[in-house]
Amino acid sequence: DVKVTQSSRYLVKRTGEKVFLECVQDMDHENMFWYRQDPGLGLRLIYFSYDVKMKEKGDIPEGYSVSREKKERFSLILESASTNQTSMYLCASLAGATGELFFGEGSRLTVL
Amino acid sequence: QKEVEQNSGPLSVPEGAIASLNCTYSDRGSQSFFWYRQYSGKSPELIMSIYSNGDKEDGRFTAQLNKASQYVSLLIRDSQPSDSATYLCAVGGDSGNTPLVFGKGTRLSVIA
Repeated sequence: DVKVTQSSRYLVKRTGEKVFLECVQDMDHENMFWYRQDPGLGLRLIYFSYDVKMKEKGDIPEGYSVSREKKERFSLILESASTNQTSMYLCASLAGATGELFFGEGSRLTVL
Repeated sequence: QKEVEQNSGPLSVPEGAIASLNCTYSDRGSQSFFWYRQYSGKSPELIMSIYSNGDKEDGRFTAQLNKASQYVSLLIRDSQPSDSATYLCAVGGDSGNTPLVFGKGTRLSVIA
């Protein structure tokens, strides 16, 4: 089975802190994604990457950056966390042959 | 802007009944269609995928696709309380580098 692992399930950070959310997949998928999910707003795409060192902005990239130094790892970075970034963050990787998206368990971030 | 529309619900059905979830999409060039189930506090999990017009059955689940009407649906037969969740419709383009577009989800409640 495809496994997408997110490093932290729950985080509490202070406003202004730098936050790293890490995601690792074990199926050699080329495409990886970061979403945030908020009540009533659904899943919103922050960034995605279709290859090592490649990144593309999604719908809401402001306040975020990403890093893809290795194929299996895709990191989301909040340079200076703000309270409006309190959310559930979901990482996913894409099976290219079928177009199916596999999600990690999610990281619930609270910024105080 | 590609859009995927779903009724937010909640959709309430009695145990044993058929639940019918609907989704429309705006991009006529869409090629792949998915239904994800998401329990509260959990990440989405894929339950059905469909790529061509018609019906696709898997156990109690049937996905239906009508590309001419830009409409995809999910039927859940013999609904169980464990089916109570939010169901997300996702639509993909013709390239693995194109992110899936998600609807905001329909909340289903199966009443025992």
